[in-house]
Amino acid sequence: AQSVTQLGSHVSVSEGALVLLRCNYSSSVPPYLFWYVQYPNQGLQLLLKYTSAATLVKGINGFEAEFKKSETSFHLTKPSAHMSDAAEYFCAVSGRNNDMRFGAGTRLTVKP
Amino acid sequence: ETGVTQSPTHLIKTRGQQVTLRCSSQSGHNTVSWYQQALGQGPQFIFQYYREEENGRGNFPPRFSGLQFPNYSSELNVNALELDDSALYLCASSGGDRANEQFFGPGTRLTVL
Repeated sequence: AQSVTQLGSHVSVSEGALVLLRCNYSSSVPPYLFWYVQYPNQGLQLLLKYTSAATLVKGINGFEAEFKKSETSFHLTKPSAHMSDAAEYFCAVSGRNNDMRFGAGTRLTVKP
Repeated sequence: ETGVTQSPTHLIKTRGQQVTLRCSSQSGHNTVSWYQQALGQGPQFIFQYYREEENGRGNFPPRFSGLQFPNYSSELNVNALELDDSALYLCASSGGDRANEQFFGPGTRLTVL
């Protein structure tokens, strides 16, 4: 079965600092991996996805993620945090039927 | 291009009642997936419908059931509501050129008292 584990339920950074949100996956087949963002009282918005093309994936709002098969990781980064980045972030892996398996989420706080 | 819509936005029910949640998929999408997101947790896959047939199911009891209609809109029905059913219910649609990408609606917040 495919699954993802997000390391750190809460991450706090200062505005302008590097954002690093960690995600490790488990999959018996080449995975499709995703990062979603959720703002309070809203649904999920896709930040970026990996579908076995380039290992470095660029997404919206300046985010990117690198697929590392040897480490089974798909960490999300952004060089410089903005106050508007404060939200809940979810890593997900796509299953056999295209059903998503989500991690527990990481809440990002950005301090002024 | 119309996005995924869900209704109602909020709903309050009592234990033992039944509820129906609705989802309209994005134009051109033939697959709808439903997820349950409890407070402080990630979404959990309930089931998926493809062309009006159930196409996969997560670890949810049979009192969670669904339908997909010819226009690819969908319903989630939950019978015999329990307190633990209180959650945000998310619908996502997919299909077309980006079949491996799911587009989520804003969700329905269900509270069971």
